[in-house]
This record gives sequence, structure tokens and C-alpha cells, in this order.
Amino acid sequence: EVQLLESGGGLVQPGGSLRLSCAASGFSFSNYAMNWVRQAPGKGLEWVSSIGVSSDNTYYADSVKGRFTISRDNSNNTLHLAMNSLRAEDTAVYYCSKDRFPGWFPSGVKNSWGQGTLVTVSS
Amino acid sequence: DIVMTQSPDSLAVSLGERATINCKSSQSILYSSNNKNDLSWYQQKPGQPPKLLIYSASTRESGVPDRFSGSGSGTDFTLTISGLQAEDVAVYYCHQYYSSPQTFGQGTKVEIK
Repeated sequence: EVQLLESGGGLVQPGGSLRLSCAASGFSFSNYAMNWVRQAPGKGLEWVSSIGVSSDNTYYADSVKGRFTISRDNSNNTLHLAMNSLRAEDTAVYYCSKDRFPGWFPSGVKNSWGQGTLVTVSS
Repeated sequence: DIVMTQSPDSLAVSLGERATINCKSSQSILYSSNNKNDLSWYQQKPGQPPKLLIYSASTRESGVPDRFSGSGSGTDFTLTISGLQAEDVAVYYCHQYYSSPQTFGQGTKVEIK
């Protein structure tokens, strides 16, 4: 059974930093692209970032480009999202998700999701 | 960016009746090399993460009940729930992965009438 467990969320002041992690199990992590999708309180879904099986292939939403960095540790089956220069509008539940298909690049289809971790940016 | 617009924003349907959700993309998301539309549908129940229902516009994900079906091509897509069940109460999102940035529709809330 695929399991994705996010951690690292919390309350941070504007301009601060956080590092989210997603521990993956139940599948061959190194064979799948991974993603972060967020959801502001009471709002819809927003794609944040994706990473291919190699950390050379990374993709970002314009709203986080230059502030967030996605990375993965295939030896420890873990996905990360380093978030810097946080803003109030970054407040959201951040979901880790797995690509539907094995492959070098993200397919866009996400068939497994974690329960999410809440990031609150406020003074 | 490709804008995804869903309609309606909400709908109430009687148990056992059909629910239809529309999704329109601001440009074609038909991938010409394989003739597949890069569109998926997700279901999100309160307090839960999204669940993949449909990808490539019409391919049902494994384990998804066959009352859920997707159709459409190019810029116009539909998610149909044939015979609404109580457990189908949720918000449904369409999602394009044709080009970056990936974008979602605003969501459609489905309730029981």
C-alpha cells in the first residue's frame, strides 16, 4: 500500500523559512516523479512543484519560483520542499503526491496523495 | 497559463440521479502525438486529500466505480456521475497537465437534493 506522510508544517512569520518533508513507502520511490500541491483554507487546489526521478528535472509555479526548492532523496524515499521568503499567501495545506506512471519526467497525473501538512504564515 | 473553468460551481442532485460537471480549458489540451487529452478529474471529500478519478479525459482510475465517467476533447470536458450515491458528496476538480504551469478548475461542489 502506498503511503505518503508529510511533515514540517507549522506557524512561521512572513519572510521566514520552512522545510517540508514527505516520507514515501509502499512503492519504488526512485521510479516515480513526485509533486507538491497546496490548498489555501477554504480554497481550491494549486500545483506548486514537481520533480522527475532525477533531481535535475524540477518544475515550479510562478508564484513560488525562486523562493521554493523541491528535492528528493531516493536512498531514503523522501521528498522535500524548502520554502524561503514566505508570504501570507503561502498559507495552505501542502500535499505530497505521487505520479501515476513510472518514468523519468512528471506525467501530471497524481494517483496517491498524503494527508497534507498545514503551513501558516502570520505575524 | 491555461485557465480551467468549471460549471456549475455547485449542484444538488437527488440520490440515484445523474450529476454532470463541465470543464472548459482556455486552449486545447489535446496532445496530438498520441491523440490524448491531458485532463484529469479529482474528487475531494471534506478533510481528505484529493482522489484521482479519471485521467486522459476518459480513463477511469483503478478501483473507481463505473458510475463515474469522463468525456470530451480539445477544450470541453465533462464528468458524469450516473446514479449519485450519498458517498459522492464532495468537491470535484478538473486539472490540465498539458503545459506548465499545471492548473486546476475552481471546483464544483456536489450535494444531495
